[in-house]
Amino acid sequence: DTAVSQTPKYLVTQMGNDKSIKCEQNLGHDTMYWYKQDSKKFLKIMFSYNNKELIINETVPNRFSPKSPDKAHLNLHINSLELGDSAVYFCASGGTGNQPQHFGDGTRLSIL
Amino acid sequence: QKEVEQNSGPLSVPEGAIASLNCTYSDRGSQSFFWYRQYSGKSPELIMSIYSNGDKEDGRFTAQLNKASQYVSLLIRDSQPSDSATYLCAVITSGTYKYIFGTGTRLKVLA
Repeated sequence: DTAVSQTPKYLVTQMGNDKSIKCEQNLGHDTMYWYKQDSKKFLKIMFSYNNKELIINETVPNRFSPKSPDKAHLNLHINSLELGDSAVYFCASGGTGNQPQHFGDGTRLSIL
Repeated sequence: QKEVEQNSGPLSVPEGAIASLNCTYSDRGSQSFFWYRQYSGKSPELIMSIYSNGDKEDGRFTAQLNKASQYVSLLIRDSQPSDSATYLCAVITSGTYKYIFGTGTRLKVLA
């Protein structure tokens, strides 16, 4: 069983479109995260939810909106996609406090 | 100053040698430190976590932490070509419990 699964794996779309990425974890963790990894491989946190509550909201354009229907799911919706949004988006989950995080396989977003 | 710094590499070592990867961090109150390995096109995978000063060994991997010097390192003994990957250092900052990743060091193990 995949611990952290995200869909789709690849997303190719045009500028201006709206798209969503879904993430689910079956590890029983309270906290879930979205990261963006750019072409230089820098992994930057975007959002974090703890038990459906937003706890980290980095400086991210408000075109990006996370939604957590329950603590096992964290989805990311992106409006009006721009060229600079092209990246790999990783979902992760972790226990509370100082516990390590576990990553999904990533969604490679390409904007044409 | 970046919060978590790593040399981007590539660090090239011959097969069978010891690879030494280094990471420095700026938040003196940080308590939790992690090393992740990321193969090209794959997701980061946890290798080691370390919370106390000193060494922690797991198979061919040893993590070393020195909080006074704000320095954490990863040693890979008997390096194999399959160890070729990018190694990411991550630190949980004090207070906010936010994970901060370094930019990663690319390791190449030459057969």
